[in-house]
Amino acid sequence: QQQVKQSPQSLIVQKGGISIINCAYENTAFDYFPWYQQFPGKGPALLIAIRPDVSEKKEGRFTISFNKSAKQFSLHIMDSQPGDSATYFCAASKGGKLIFGQGTELSVKP
Amino acid sequence: SAVISQKPSRDICQRGTSLTIQCQVDSQVTMMFWYRQQPGQSLTLIATANQGSEATYESGFVIDKFPISRPNLTFSTLTVSNMSPEDSSIYLCSVSGTGAFETQYFGPGTRLLVL
Repeated sequence: QQQVKQSPQSLIVQKGGISIINCAYENTAFDYFPWYQQFPGKGPALLIAIRPDVSEKKEGRFTISFNKSAKQFSLHIMDSQPGDSATYFCAASKGGKLIFGQGTELSVKP
Repeated sequence: SAVISQKPSRDICQRGTSLTIQCQVDSQVTMMFWYRQQPGQSLTLIATANQGSEATYESGFVIDKFPISRPNLTFSTLTVSNMSPEDSSIYLCSVSGTGAFETQYFGPGTRLLVL
């Protein structure tokens, strides 16, 4: 049972463009929604996170949009750079346990 | 943020053998977790390592296959027992506080190849 569904599986964006990754969850008990960035050969690193009582959170070029009624949330990367090329995972947390989406491999072309 | 190290960073093992992976944190933490990331796949929680008591395993993972120890608040081990090629994965430990919105930090992972 896939509790967190992530799309697209891969994404190619031109430098300076906007990267958008979407996630949907099923369990309304989830209470924390982080996004992780993973480079090859490295462990995931927290990028940005949101709680369900907030509809949007912005940190620099990264924004999370959260739609509680639709049980969806998304990551927007503004002014995408080649250094942003990595795999991005959304996750949902209940009781501190993270359930991850399938991941999106982002490639930003110069 | 916590600094987490794992040993070994990678290993190649023969089927039927066992490998113990160590996770060391530079500060005391309340929660420690072990995840598996199969090649090109997402992360799946194996278990929560509980200090001073038996680990709490997720559905599909059992103690006989993945025994876990956590002797103190900065260290944990995961053993992958009686390995088969299907166990080839990246194994990651992570740590966090006890709050519902606590950031979870991940170690660099241990890359295991079973032949």
